[in-house]
Amino acid sequence: GAGVSQSPSNKVTEKGKDVELRCDPISGHTALYWYRQSLGQGLEFLIYFQGNSAPDKSGLPSDRFSAERTGGSVSTLTIQRTQQEDSAVYLCASALTDTQYFGPGTRLTVL
Amino acid sequence: AQSVTQPDIHITVSEGASLELRCNYSYGATPYLFWYVQSPGQGLQLLLKYFSGDTLVQGIKGFEAEFKRSQSSFNLRKPSVHWSDAAEYFCAVGISGTYKYIFGTGTRLKVLA
Repeated sequence: GAGVSQSPSNKVTEKGKDVELRCDPISGHTALYWYRQSLGQGLEFLIYFQGNSAPDKSGLPSDRFSAERTGGSVSTLTIQRTQQEDSAVYLCASALTDTQYFGPGTRLTVL
Repeated sequence: AQSVTQPDIHITVSEGASLELRCNYSYGATPYLFWYVQSPGQGLQLLLKYFSGDTLVQGIKGFEAEFKRSQSSFNLRKPSVHWSDAAEYFCAVGISGTYKYIFGTGTRLKVLA
């Protein structure tokens, strides 16, 4: 595809519900990243995939957060039992070499 | 530890004025350096990057940045700002040989008509 796409663009959920955020990377990009951007903050690294493997999950803030990538392409970030502090913009990026290309993000609001 | 500092949280300039956004990094070797721009409600768009070679790098939208090893800096410049440049700008360091980027906290640019 032309760029990284993410869906949904906006998600409003109630506290305690589970949510799934999707990322479609640029075709052929082997690396995929998830970041969280809270209001007025920089980018917080969550997880990195190389192919379908996630060698570094150290940025996931709690065990309520998980991610998977299938077929070396689409990735899903799942947040279980959402809390209000999970409200943020979740950004996905993909890369073939050293340059990351970002999607538009998913704005998550937990009421 | 590696870090990136963008000392200016907010900058306001008049349209047509010159712009310089500061970025300082802490890293033991020569880093990969990036500037991204984020318009409201958008993802991050790559403006330019430095890996090696000429220390003055040209990017899109008329931006340039200069890598100064002695100052551990990679400042972003534009000679004449347009109203459409109003956005948030992020500097990032890529740790060579790894997958990791370290981002600064961003500088929000406001452009006065």
